Amino acid sequence: EVRLLESGGGLVQPGGSLRLSCAASGFSFSSYAMNWVRQAPGRGLEWVSGISGSGGSTYYADSVKGRFTISRDNAKNTVYLQMTSLRAEDTAVYYCAKRPLGYCGENNCYFDCWGQGTLATVSS
Amino acid sequence: QSALTQPRSVSGSPGQSVTLSCTGTSSDVGGFNYVSWYQQHPGKAPQVIIYDVTKRPSGVPGRFSASKSGNTASLIISGLQAEDEADYYCCAFAGSYTWVFGGGTKLTVL
Repeated sequence: EVRLLESGGGLVQPGGSLRLSCAASGFSFSSYAMNWVRQAPGRGLEWVSGISGSGGSTYYADSVKGRFTISRDNAKNTVYLQMTSLRAEDTAVYYCAKRPLGYCGENNCYFDCWGQGTLATVSS
Repeated sequence: QSALTQPRSVSGSPGQSVTLSCTGTSSDVGGFNYVSWYQQHPGKAPQVIIYDVTKRPSGVPGRFSASKSGNTASLIISGLQAEDEADYYCCAFAGSYTWVFGGGTKLTVL
């Protein structure tokens, strides 16, 4: 069974940093691209960042580019999101989401499995 | 990377059909056949119900169908059931391994 378990959320002051983790199990982790998607309280979903299976390619939404860094440790089956220069508008539940195997194309350009999320709150 | 446009709410009675719309641009919805839809119940993680515009993952009831015309995608739920009451989000691939979501539609089953 595929499982994704996020952790690392919490309360941080504006301008501060936080590192989120997503521990994966039940699949060959290093073969799959992983993503972070967030949801502000009472709001919609927003794609935040993605990383290839090898970790060699990373992608970011304009809203977080230059402030957030995605990385992965395939030996630990874990993907990370390092968040710096945090703002109140970064307050959200952050979900880890997996894509099906392969380059984005037919049958695999969507998110087929999601974790339960971790809440990051940016407030003074 | 502007969010896709979805109606904030729709409603229907059990057994009826409802259509949820999702409007983007030629750079996302209209540019690729990689539109997906996600169902989210309160306090739960989203779950995919449609991918590649029209395809249903195994386990998703046939009551859920979808289509796309130009820059607008649609999710059709027929034979509404009480358990269909949830938030629904469309999502479109926007190129360069980036995605854009809609603001979500709250479906109420009357």
